[in-house]
Amino acid sequence: AQSVAQPEDQVNVAEGNPLTVKCTYSVSGNPYLFWYVQYPNRGLQFLLKYITGDNLVKGSYGFEAEFNKSQTSFHLKKPSALVSDSALYFCAVIRSNDYKLSFGAGTTVTVRA
Amino acid sequence: EAEVAQSPRYKITEKSQAVAFWCDPISGHATLYWYRQILGQGPELLVQFQDESVVDDSQLPKDRFSAERLKGVDSTLKIQPAELGDSAMYLCASSPSYYEQYFGPGTRLTVT
Repeated sequence: AQSVAQPEDQVNVAEGNPLTVKCTYSVSGNPYLFWYVQYPNRGLQFLLKYITGDNLVKGSYGFEAEFNKSQTSFHLKKPSALVSDSALYFCAVIRSNDYKLSFGAGTTVTVRA
Repeated sequence: EAEVAQSPRYKITEKSQAVAFWCDPISGHATLYWYRQILGQGPELLVQFQDESVVDDSQLPKDRFSAERLKGVDSTLKIQPAELGDSAMYLCASSPSYYEQYFGPGTRLTVT
C-alpha cells in the first residue's frame, strides 16, 4: 500500500533545542510529500511540501524538511523549538494511483519551557 | 487570506439523531473533500467532489452518511442516524489542484 509512516507517537524537546519529527514513505513513482500541523480542536495547517526540486524544503514558522530518496524519508526539522510548536504533526503523501492524500498516524510534539 | 469555513465548530447529539455539517470552500476551488479524523489518528477521506459531482465516495458509509454539493460551491455532510462510533472531528478541505489542499477548522462531533 502507498502510505507514510511516522515511527514516533511522541517527541519531547526542550525549548531552544533542535526538533526533528520523522516520516518515511512508501509510494511508487515520484512522491509528493507534505507536512501539516494541528493544534487542539483545530483543523490542519499546511507547513510545507515537496513536489520536485531541491531536497531541502523550507516552510512556515521556521520549519524545514529534507527529502531523502535513498532512505525514503521526509523528516521535519526546526533548528530551535518554541513552546508554541507543541502540537500534533502529520506527514502525508499523494498516492500515485489515485492522487488521494494519505496521512500518517501523527506525532505529538511537546516542547517544554 | 481566504479560508475554508465550517460550521458548527462543535456538535453534541444523541445517538439515533440526525446531524449535519456545512462547509464553504475557498472561492474558485473546484475540488472539495470531507475527511473524518478519529482522536489520535490521521484524517481519512470520506468523499471527494469535483464541482457538484461525487468523484469518490468509496469510504463513505452510505447507509447512514450522505453528502451533497448541489451548486458546486458549499457542501453539506449528513449523518442519520448518528452512532456512538461517529464521534470524531469532521474536516472539510478544498483544492485548486490535486497536490494542494486547504483545510477548514473542522467540526468536533460528540455522540452520546
